[in-house]
Amino acid sequence: NAGVTQTPKFQVLKTGQSMTLQCAQDMNHEYMSWYRQDPGMGLRLIHYSVGAGITDQGEVPNGYNVSRSTTEDFPLRLLSAAPSQTSVYFCASSYRQPNTGELFFGEGSRLTVL
Amino acid sequence: AQKVTQAQTEISVVEKEDVTLDCVYETRDTTYYLFWYKQPPSGELVFLIRRNSFDEQNEISGRYSWNFQKSTSSFNFTITASQVVDSAVYFCALSEAVYSGGGADGLTFGKGTHLIIQP
Repeated sequence: NAGVTQTPKFQVLKTGQSMTLQCAQDMNHEYMSWYRQDPGMGLRLIHYSVGAGITDQGEVPNGYNVSRSTTEDFPLRLLSAAPSQTSVYFCASSYRQPNTGELFFGEGSRLTVL
Repeated sequence: AQKVTQAQTEISVVEKEDVTLDCVYETRDTTYYLFWYKQPPSGELVFLIRRNSFDEQNEISGRYSWNFQKSTSSFNFTITASQVVDSAVYFCALSEAVYSGGGADGLTFGKGTHLIIQP
């Protein structure tokens, strides 16, 4: 069982570079989301999707884009990386809305922006 | 707006002691959901429990127990006879019900409590 798979696990970028964090789940979950974790801040929601073709902003969406062309994939794009985006990023999915049950998390992607 | 407060930033106890992690939440909804997640040193997030606002029964799972009190807006987590393997960061989280506009927005997490169990 793969569950939620994130790639890459580690990435170093220079300010202004762009990149995409990939997230894929094989559980046929409708709901997918991206969180960032910063020291002493807990996890904060960036973007989420309740199904293919539907995305919406969370608490801290600035600087990030998402799309959901398939049920399985939910990539997170940084168009012009900034040092403030240095963080650990978690992708998460659940069968339906997260309050209905368990939110399954990927292993995280550690991003450093120099 | 919903909010979760975990006032204890770090707790250190000796193995076999009991320890309680506090969680206080704020929400305007009458229907909501509360969660606890564990993040061990390896970094992954492990689901521990989900509780809805209509179920105030305490829950016990092995050495873990949860005390939900709506009157004080608290959802505290107790580990009995702690073990070194319990060392982790523990997060409390809240999600409001879908039909009241929340839920689909995801979970609001507290800042976490770093629990250190010393041998």
